[in-house]
This record gives sequence, structure tokens and C-alpha cells, in this order.
Amino acid sequence: KAGVTQTPRYLIKTRGQQVTLSCSPISGHRSVSWYQQTPGQGLQFLFEYFSETQRNKGNFPGRFSGRQFSNSRSEMNVSTLELGDSALYLCASSSARQGATEAFFGQGTRLTVV
Amino acid sequence: AQTVTQSQPEMSVQEAETVTLSCTYDTSESDYYLFWYKQPPSRQMILVIRQEAYKQQNATENRFSVNFQKAAKSFSLKISDSQLGDAAMYFCAYNLGNEKLTFGTGTRLTIIP
Repeated sequence: KAGVTQTPRYLIKTRGQQVTLSCSPISGHRSVSWYQQTPGQGLQFLFEYFSETQRNKGNFPGRFSGRQFSNSRSEMNVSTLELGDSALYLCASSSARQGATEAFFGQGTRLTVV
Repeated sequence: AQTVTQSQPEMSVQEAETVTLSCTYDTSESDYYLFWYKQPPSRQMILVIRQEAYKQQNATENRFSVNFQKAAKSFSLKISDSQLGDAAMYFCAYNLGNEKLTFGTGTRLTIIP
């Protein structure tokens, strides 16, 4: 079955702009999580959506937001972009059954803010 | 807050040899899950192995095995018969049974032909 799909793969934006990243989970998976990966901070959890509701949230400013649609696809939005938002953004989906289920990751979106 | 520490930024091993990657974590919880993920140059994180804290038996997946020491809060990964395709960043991660993973800083593994 198809894996986790993230679009676009690469993105260049200017400071102050906003950006929307998309993630299509594996069919049947209802949980979608987002992570930011940078050389300095490593992998940091942004938030998780389950059945269109944000269920977990990391320590990121309100400029970072997300949503999930009824088909489980998720979007992540970053407003008023800063240079420090340049990162690889990874999306992961899971079936979220009882216990820690395996998270399947997409290939990420590389965002560069100039 | 839970933290995961990988003290080896880089490791290298000869092809066909065995290598062990270290990971320690800090938590006050008794039930949790531990993972090793691999991130090759393609950037896609791939689950290598997982361990439930309530299980005393160490997890094994083919050439990959872990040494889980709950009292010491240690979770090392052993790769036997290393292959060129094993070259990647390896991340240790912790989870409380929800979908939030806390990752270590990673270890870059190089395989020497």
C-alpha cells in the first residue's frame, strides 16, 4: 500500500510569508504527527491530529498550526516565516491503536526561508 | 520532561563487523516504549526496532537487537554483520504510548567497505 506522502518536497519562501505543507497518511491511518528537524535542535514534535482533532502539541509558537481533514490528510501552516523556520518538516502517520503503534514517516518537506 | 541522550555523534564499523550504538533516557514513568529509527540520505525515517518497557526480553529483528536495561535507563542497539546499506543516521526515541515521539540527537553510522 502507498506510504506517507508529503508535498511539496522542497520549498523556498521569504521571511514574513506563510507556508502550507501537506501530508497524506497511509490508508486507514487516523493519526498524523508533524516534526521539525534542524541541525541545531534535532527532531522536535510539533503536533498530532487524530480524527480531525489536535490531540498532542509540542512547544512551538502559535505561528505553527495544523489541521486534519475527514480523509485524515493533514496540513501544517507556518505564518510570518522566520529564518529559523528553515528545516526539514516530517510527517508521520499511525493507526493509533492501543499502545505505541509504529509511526510511518514521509520523506519530508525541506523548507528554506530566505 | 522525558529526555533521550545519544552520546556518540558518529560511529564507524567495518563491513560484516558488529557495532553497538548507545542511548540513555530519563523518565519517571514505568510504562513506555523505546524505538530505534534509521534515517538514510533519502531522509525517510524507518523503524528499525521497538521495545516495550514492560517486557524484560530484549527485542530482536534479524541483524538488529537491543540491550534494554530498565533500571539503568539504557537502550543500546547492536547491528551484527554490518552491511553498506546500514549507513545512515540512527535515532533513539521514547514514547509513552501516545503518538508523541521524543528523539535523541542521533548517531551517524558509517560502514567501511
